[in-house]
Amino acid sequence: GESVGLHLPTLSVQEGDNSIINCAYSNSASDYFIWYKQESGKGPQFIIDIRSNMDKRQGQRVTVLLNKTVKHLSLQIAATQPGDSAVYFCAENTGGSYIPTFGRGTSLIVHP
Amino acid sequence: GAVVSQHPSWVICKSGTSVKIECRSLDFQATTMFWYRQFPKQSLMLMATSNEGSKATYEQGVEKDKFLINHASLTLSTLTVTSAHPEDSSFYICSAPTSRYNEQFFGPGTRLTVL
Repeated sequence: GESVGLHLPTLSVQEGDNSIINCAYSNSASDYFIWYKQESGKGPQFIIDIRSNMDKRQGQRVTVLLNKTVKHLSLQIAATQPGDSAVYFCAENTGGSYIPTFGRGTSLIVHP
Repeated sequence: GAVVSQHPSWVICKSGTSVKIECRSLDFQATTMFWYRQFPKQSLMLMATSNEGSKATYEQGVEKDKFLINHASLTLSTLTVTSAHPEDSSFYICSAPTSRYNEQFFGPGTRLTVL
């Protein structure tokens, strides 16, 4: 059943603002990181990825930053839109494994 | 991108019955697929790895006799929840990796409600 006390952190922003979603990962040996977006009642959707030999990667309106020193990953969304409202998960892979380990998730709420 | 489908998208069943959930890779072959469950407002928890042509690998704490997995072909994996109970009610999601480095595609999920 559901674990008591585990609630997703929430980030509320206004439409047009930039959003920054943070993630602390656990394994210093992880070498590949992915951000997923999950809308209500749907499966996760790939947003952007980054390998450990990089510290920044940009996509369309999204940027992922990786700080291996403190094991921190962030997702920046520029000009946030109501359609960006969803839960965002970071995930880490280690040593070529196909199996990502998912982080806790952050709920992004965009107010029009 | 690659497409993974699941069927059904939702199912309601009585306690004690069994429910089968299908996961298909529509435009690529997947020798491996993964099954996750997700409780409300929580992250995805890996249940098992489905392997085409061999037995599934279950994560610690997941009962293999309760969650039967069959990887019948390179495009189909099934998860059967046997003798379902209300605590099995959850969102079940499958995924499959493609040939690209570690990239996985997720199915849309199946909402199981056990009464």
